[in-house]
Amino acid sequence: KQEVTQIPAALSVPEGENLVLNCSFTDSAIYNLQWFRQDPGKGLTSLLLIQSSQREQTSGRLNASLDKSSGRSTLYIAASQPGDSATYLCAVTGDSWGKLQFGAGTQVVVTP
Amino acid sequence: GAGVSQSPSNKVTEKGKDVELRCDPISGHTALYWYRQRLGQGLEFLIYFQGNSAPDKSGLPSDRFSAERTGESVSTLTIQRTQQEDSAVYLCASSSVEVKRGKQFFGPGTRLTVL
Repeated sequence: KQEVTQIPAALSVPEGENLVLNCSFTDSAIYNLQWFRQDPGKGLTSLLLIQSSQREQTSGRLNASLDKSSGRSTLYIAASQPGDSATYLCAVTGDSWGKLQFGAGTQVVVTP
Repeated sequence: GAGVSQSPSNKVTEKGKDVELRCDPISGHTALYWYRQRLGQGLEFLIYFQGNSAPDKSGLPSDRFSAERTGESVSTLTIQRTQQEDSAVYLCASSSVEVKRGKQFFGPGTRLTVL
């Protein structure tokens, strides 16, 4: 059974620092991995999707890496801003149906 | 519409009552998913619809939970005889069949509270 773990559970940094969020999964047979952002009272916003054949994806200040063989992904957020405060979730799909298996999330607070 | 919509946004019910939660997917998205997020826990997959294929119900926690979808439109998640442990945020997502491993777009969720 696939298990997805996110460390740390919570993180607080001053504005301007880089953020490093970690995600690990136990079964390396994944189709893709996604990083989401969740704001209170709102749904999930997809940030980055990495196919199993890819090593990384970048979007603006966000960069996500994937090491499928070791079951790890890292989300980097450069030059953090207070608006980056949210819960970040990673999720993997184990088959072509695309149902997602989520980690518990990392709650990020960026202080001005 | 522009995104996935869900209704109601909040629902408070008494233990033992039935509830219906609604999801309107993005137009043209043939795949529709229901997930549940209980307080302090990660999201759990509940059920998945793909076009006219039989739904994948492997995540439904008990036979009190059921869902329907007509064609490629609205879906309704029904919880019968609600229990306090059913309290959670219920999230719906949709995606395009052309990209089975593509992004899922989520709605804002329905917060269900069972008293």
